[in-house]
Amino acid sequence: GQQLNQSPQSMFIQEGEDVSMNCTSSSIFNTWLWYKQEPGEGPVLLIALYKAGELTSNGRLTAQFGITRKDSFLNISASIPSDVGIYFCAGKTSYDKVIFGPGTSLSVIP
Amino acid sequence: DTGVSQNPRHKITKRGQNVTFRCDPISEHNRLYWYRQTLGQGPEFLTYFQNEAQLEKSRLLSDRFSAERPKGSFSTLEIQRTEQGDSAMYLCASSLERGRNEQFFGPGTRLTVL
Repeated sequence: GQQLNQSPQSMFIQEGEDVSMNCTSSSIFNTWLWYKQEPGEGPVLLIALYKAGELTSNGRLTAQFGITRKDSFLNISASIPSDVGIYFCAGKTSYDKVIFGPGTSLSVIP
Repeated sequence: DTGVSQNPRHKITKRGQNVTFRCDPISEHNRLYWYRQTLGQGPEFLTYFQNEAQLEKSRLLSDRFSAERPKGSFSTLEIQRTEQGDSAMYLCASSLERGRNEQFFGPGTRLTVL
């Protein structure tokens, strides 16, 4: 079946540093999504990408839809303590089915 | 608050008991999804509804699981004869049917089966 891989699995960074995380798949997706989940809560949609090569920003967050349509990355600039959480990438197929990756856990050290 | 809501937020039950969870989607969304999430994993699709019709069920959804959306608004997920392996976070999401119809999630129901 379709599977997504995320790297790194976890990261510990100093407040103020930039963060980069990656998502890859063996399958092509029509839409790439990035969600953030905090403990005890549901995932919150951060960015949605709809076209290969698309680069989209949401505040300090920037994400890109890979040219091959099999990957995406998310960058966070100037991290702050409230960026702590698990970041999930997700790919949406032509049938609107959404497949989630295993997540990247981010810890920010003040 | 006009987001997706779920009740209860936490449920502790003994093995063998039945449990039912409720999801209220965003009011104008006609699609509703159920996911299960275990520790260290992303959400896994269980089933989805378009209006009151249940259009797809995952193989993860055993015979002990049943979901309904009788009037095309709120939905319930029932688990009969719970097992310890059912312990997980159960997430509900809703979306529009057309356009850039991204899914918005509720806060989840954390189920613990003792």
